[in-house]
Amino acid sequence: DAKTTQPPSMDCAEGRAANLPCNHSTISGNEYVYWYRQIHSQGPQYIIHGLKNNETNEMASLIITEDRKSSTLILPHATLRDTAVYYCIVRSPLSGTYKYIFGTGTRLKVLA
Amino acid sequence: NAGVMQNPRHLVRRRGQEARLRCSPMKGHSHVYWYRQLPEEGLKFMVYLQKENIIDESGMPKERFSAEFPKEGPSILRIQQVVRGDSAAYFCASSPPLGLAEDEQFFGPGTRLTVL
Repeated sequence: DAKTTQPPSMDCAEGRAANLPCNHSTISGNEYVYWYRQIHSQGPQYIIHGLKNNETNEMASLIITEDRKSSTLILPHATLRDTAVYYCIVRSPLSGTYKYIFGTGTRLKVLA
Repeated sequence: NAGVMQNPRHLVRRRGQEARLRCSPMKGHSHVYWYRQLPEEGLKFMVYLQKENIIDESGMPKERFSAEFPKEGPSILRIQQVVRGDSAAYFCASSPPLGLAEDEQFFGPGTRLTVL
């Protein structure tokens, strides 16, 4: 079962920051938080991941709370092409399988 | 550097036929994962393979489904005697040899199976 909880949908105005929350209250100390997105019905696209510290790359920023029970993905300047389903995933490196357990994600709609 | 490749992209089968889905991982990747996505749902893990080994098949249905990743060639997901409920998008992902626990998975474009 998914270890994460996300709102089913969000809207964001084009050019504004999109802040997508994720709750992972049962996360363990060695589990990473990953974010992927799926545009239309394409294969999921990797965005960013983190363990404890906040992370930033060319696509997004990931803010993880100090207790690690939740995180927020930030798209700083959303464009229409960012409309997609965003998945927050918790993965344990010690499970032996490294499989992802997807939830239902957040459907982000960027509005012109 | 080609990404993960899957073929066919679309596959139509009649009930009772066999479906064979192929996945070529990214160059240098030796780990393959298969996921299934039903309409309006998230992806569900099926199986994780390394070359010539099945590591985790906890998500595979007990009957009719099998997967392999031979020493040479692509990974194959085989569905025998397909039923309408098998209609879904099947995604393959690959990752590098597990030198780092945080290696991300790279997904292919998927194969959309339709069972008539």
